[in-house]
Amino acid sequence: EDQVTQSPEALRLQEGESSSLNCSYTVSGLRGLFWYRQDPGKGPEFLFTLYSAGEEKEKERLKATLTKKESFLHITAPKPEDSATYLCAGGKGGSEKLVFGKGTKLTVNP
Amino acid sequence: NAGVMQNPRHLVRRRGQEARLRCSPMKGHSHVYWYRQLPEEGLKFMVYLQKENIIDESGMPKERFSAEFPKEGPSILRIQQVVRGDSAAYFCASSPAGEGSPLHFGNGTRLTVT
Repeated sequence: EDQVTQSPEALRLQEGESSSLNCSYTVSGLRGLFWYRQDPGKGPEFLFTLYSAGEEKEKERLKATLTKKESFLHITAPKPEDSATYLCAGGKGGSEKLVFGKGTKLTVNP
Repeated sequence: NAGVMQNPRHLVRRRGQEARLRCSPMKGHSHVYWYRQLPEEGLKFMVYLQKENIIDESGMPKERFSAEFPKEGPSILRIQQVVRGDSAAYFCASSPAGEGSPLHFGNGTRLTVT
């Protein structure tokens, strides 16, 4: 069964305290690993797509990496405005479905 | 450059009524997807449509739920005879092309069944 598991469920950081979020996946024929950010009451906002093991992508304080079994979202020197729920999703091969994890709720305190 | 537009943002229905959720994709996008988010659960795929065609409805409940994306106008997700378990946030997403393209989501419709 296709599955995406994110850890931790919740993470509290002090401003400037770097950390990483984990996404482990078992998705048949993975055709892409997607990261989204979701703010309360809003829809998910696209951040990154990773297609192959070893690939890395960066955007401001965020960097996403991919291995054959998991992906990491590294947050460097976070700010309070980085507080959100971060969602990971695997694109299922041969279909248009994305299989989402439950997300990691990140809180960055000033 | 409007994003994916969903309406209404909030919808309250009594058990047994019908709920209609509308979604206008981003300009230039011809692929529409519906996802459901239950409290404390991840987003779950429901259906994938292109203009006038349902491509994949494997995530749709077998009864009471239907979706369409007509040649003109928004995509509609219709839930007949709603029950309390249908209470959730329903998100629509669109993409310009198929497999591998990132999805762009709307802000959702929050359905409450009383």
